[in-house]
Amino acid sequence: EDQVTQSPEALRLQEGESSSLNCSYTVSGLRGLFWYRQDPGKGPEFLFTLYSAGEEKEKERLKATLTKKESFLHITAPKPEDSATYLCAVHITGNQFYFGTGTSLTVIP
Amino acid sequence: GAVVSQHPSWVICKSGTSVKIECRSLDFQATTMFWYRQFPKQSLMLMATSNEGSKATYEQGVEKDKFLINHASLTLSTLTVTSAHPEDSSFYICSVRSSYEQYFGPGTRLTVT
Repeated sequence: EDQVTQSPEALRLQEGESSSLNCSYTVSGLRGLFWYRQDPGKGPEFLFTLYSAGEEKEKERLKATLTKKESFLHITAPKPEDSATYLCAVHITGNQFYFGTGTSLTVIP
Repeated sequence: GAVVSQHPSWVICKSGTSVKIECRSLDFQATTMFWYRQFPKQSLMLMATSNEGSKATYEQGVEKDKFLINHASLTLSTLTVTSAHPEDSSFYICSVRSSYEQYFGPGTRLTVT
């Protein structure tokens, strides 16, 4: 059964304290893995797409990596404005998208 | 990436009434749009796929007669929640897909009293 699991559910960091969010998946026919940021009461905002194992992408303090079983979203020296829920989603053969339940990140000044 | 808008951003209605939510693709012609629902602290759940010029495809467990979808043009899809009840209160989000990527609207908060 296709599945996407994110951990941890919630994460509290001090400003400047780097950490990583995990997205594990068991799917057949991965076409792409996506990371989104969602602020309360808003729609998800696209961050990254990763297509193959070993691929990495960076944007400001965020870096996404992909292996055959999981993806990490690394946050370097986070700031309070990075506080949000981070969602991952996988796109598989058959044009299906499966979302994880998200990691709620709080960065404390 | 594609720009997607939704209207209204929030709506309060009385139980038993119907509510229409619009989703517009502002810079991309979308033959297919997607409607999701998100309950508090939960992830997005796909409700239905809206197909331009034809009937929508609903996910298992989603009532077709309750959630009416119309995709009359390449830039507009509408979701009508008919005879709304408090349990329909949720955050409704639409999206469009461009090749392998998916872009979301800002969402519509529906509260049924």
